Amino acid sequence: AQTVTQSQPEMSVQEAETVTLSCTYDTSESDYYLFWYKQPPSRQMILVIRQEAYKQQNATENRFSVNFQKAAKSFSLKISDSQLGDAAMYFCAYSNNDMRFGAGTRLTVKP
Amino acid sequence: DAGITQSPRHKVTETGTPVTLRCHQTENHRYMYWYRQDPGHGLRLIHYSYGVKDTDKGEVSDGYSVSRSKTEDFLLTLESATSSQTSVYFCAISEDRSGIANYGYTFGSGTRLTVV
Repeated sequence: AQTVTQSQPEMSVQEAETVTLSCTYDTSESDYYLFWYKQPPSRQMILVIRQEAYKQQNATENRFSVNFQKAAKSFSLKISDSQLGDAAMYFCAYSNNDMRFGAGTRLTVKP
Repeated sequence: DAGITQSPRHKVTETGTPVTLRCHQTENHRYMYWYRQDPGHGLRLIHYSYGVKDTDKGEVSDGYSVSRSKTEDFLLTLESATSSQTSVYFCAISEDRSGIANYGYTFGSGTRLTVV
């Protein structure tokens, strides 16, 4: 079964600085999709960024970018110019059929 | 915003009582999912549906049943609630099972269930 591991239960960053959240996954498939979701205190799950495994180019969405290393099965999220509104739980997810999630990383942004 | 609503938003129930959570969508998506969220575990799939009356088990299905009599509604039932089922329950929808067609799954706002 595919597993997703987020090894950092908590991270903190200074406002306007850059932070990287780590994610690794285990799969024997070659075609799959990876996602980062943000969950603020409102509890809503918000899609941040999406990566297709067959694409070598790293996905980017404004201040959010990923470092996708397929051979290493690594999918980290970089948040640039961190803002107070970025404070949330972040979940990494893998999807081939169903979507599987990591345990999450709680990000604190310090003013 | 995607038309997906969950009800109730909060519920407290007693051990041994039946509980039904409702997920309603207006997007006409084929796939619907129930996840539970627990600290240290992220979200884990309970059951999913790929059409009316078509459902299948996820990784943590014991103690749960589901029904889908209409495209727009997906019900999750705890036949006899236990304290281990205290959790936040999320419903999600997608056009396809891998979630790629509409950029991942779209989630409801969740139901916090407490079993005392």
